[in-house]
Amino acid sequence: DAKTTQPNSMESNEEEPVHLPCNHSTISGTDYIHWYRQLPSQGPEYVIHGLTSNVNNRMASLAIAEDRKSSTLILHRATLRDAAVYYCILRWAYNTDKLIFGTGTRLQVFP
Amino acid sequence: EPEVTQTPSHQVTQMGQEVILRCVPISNHLYFYWYRQILGQKVEFLVSFYNNEISEKSEIFDDQFSVERPDGSNFTLKIRSTKLEDSAMYFCASSVGAMGNEQFFGPGTRLTVL
Repeated sequence: DAKTTQPNSMESNEEEPVHLPCNHSTISGTDYIHWYRQLPSQGPEYVIHGLTSNVNNRMASLAIAEDRKSSTLILHRATLRDAAVYYCILRWAYNTDKLIFGTGTRLQVFP
Repeated sequence: EPEVTQTPSHQVTQMGQEVILRCVPISNHLYFYWYRQILGQKVEFLVSFYNNEISEKSEIFDDQFSVERPDGSNFTLKIRSTKLEDSAMYFCASSVGAMGNEQFFGPGTRLTVL
């Protein structure tokens, strides 16, 4: 399984943008980049995913480097509710559909 | 908005006892999963289930574990003889399709084995 590397923790102030990085230098051509988050005492929650192009949805944006060896999850205006652990996960398009969680990035948001 | 539900929210059991954790996936979903998270550790995949059979399982999912979809709505995880190390949060998830489709997680069942 392709490995991802994320910072252990990040901090932000409320209403500021947050850029959460993820390195995946061994990504293969068929790996999709998925982001999930886990709010305190809750199950993981899907955030966004992409393959090559940048993606936007109501929760966040995903910026994927041209060589696909890294990506950045962008929260445009952090709220207190965005405080969570964010997981960057590679999913092989033609194989397993299980999610392999790493340790993720714990995001703290200050008022 | 449809959601995955799990019962009970907390289960306490004695070592060696059998437990059944229950999940109601989202109604039009076809793929079902169990994950667990030991306190302070990563979320770990246990098993995936599709078309009434296991499609993949991890090394954790040994003979003590089984899954079942007894009717059109429930999806259960049974642990036959619980061990202390089975204490964890157990999350059920479902998705409408496999591979790239997002998985929707339930709130979890906290299992405490004494």
